Amino acid sequence: AQKITQTQPGMFVQEKEAVTLDCTYDTSDQSYGLFWYKQPSSGEMIFLIYQGSYDEQNATEGRYSLNFQKARKSANLVISASQLGDSAMYFCAMREGEDSSYKLIFGSGTRLLVRP
Amino acid sequence: DTGVSQDPRHKITKRGQNVTFRCDPISEHNRLYWYRQTLGQGPEFLTYFQNEAQLEKSRLLSDRFSAERPKGSFSTLEIQRTEQGDSAMYLCASSDVTVNTEAFFGQGTRLTVV
Repeated sequence: AQKITQTQPGMFVQEKEAVTLDCTYDTSDQSYGLFWYKQPSSGEMIFLIYQGSYDEQNATEGRYSLNFQKARKSANLVISASQLGDSAMYFCAMREGEDSSYKLIFGSGTRLLVRP
Repeated sequence: DTGVSQDPRHKITKRGQNVTFRCDPISEHNRLYWYRQTLGQGPEFLTYFQNEAQLEKSRLLSDRFSAERPKGSFSTLEIQRTEQGDSAMYLCASSDVTVNTEAFFGQGTRLTVV
């Protein structure tokens, strides 16, 4: 069965430092996609970064990078140079199959708090 | 603003009442999704539409839940005879299947059943 595991309920990071949020997944499909979303207190899920299972390079989007280790089935999010505005819930998600943006399976999330 | 819009943002209702939520997707998006998020959890898929066709429903969507997307534009999610267990955030998302992009989410409707 498809599953996303985020083992860190909460994380602290000092402003301007880097932080890694862990995500492991389980799937029997060869083709899948991995997403990270940010959810601030306002409730909206904000897309951060995407990694396809066949992508050889790790995805990067500005201060966000995805450390994709296929053999370990992990897709950790790295946020560099943390800012106070990065304080939020972060969700790892997976969709299976070739079809883009099909239904997503989400993990339980990690609450990140950036300290000044 | 051309993002996904949900209305209302908050709804408090008495147990047993019916409620209806509305979602306006990004205008050119042909897919629309509904998710439910309970406190401390990630969103769970409920159902999705491609244009006006409802293509899949989760087992979470009991008979008291019904979703529609007339004319393939906005969508409504109705919950009949609400129960306290229905209290959650209901999130709507949309995507364009032809462009291979991520899904964009609205800000959600927070339902509290008292």
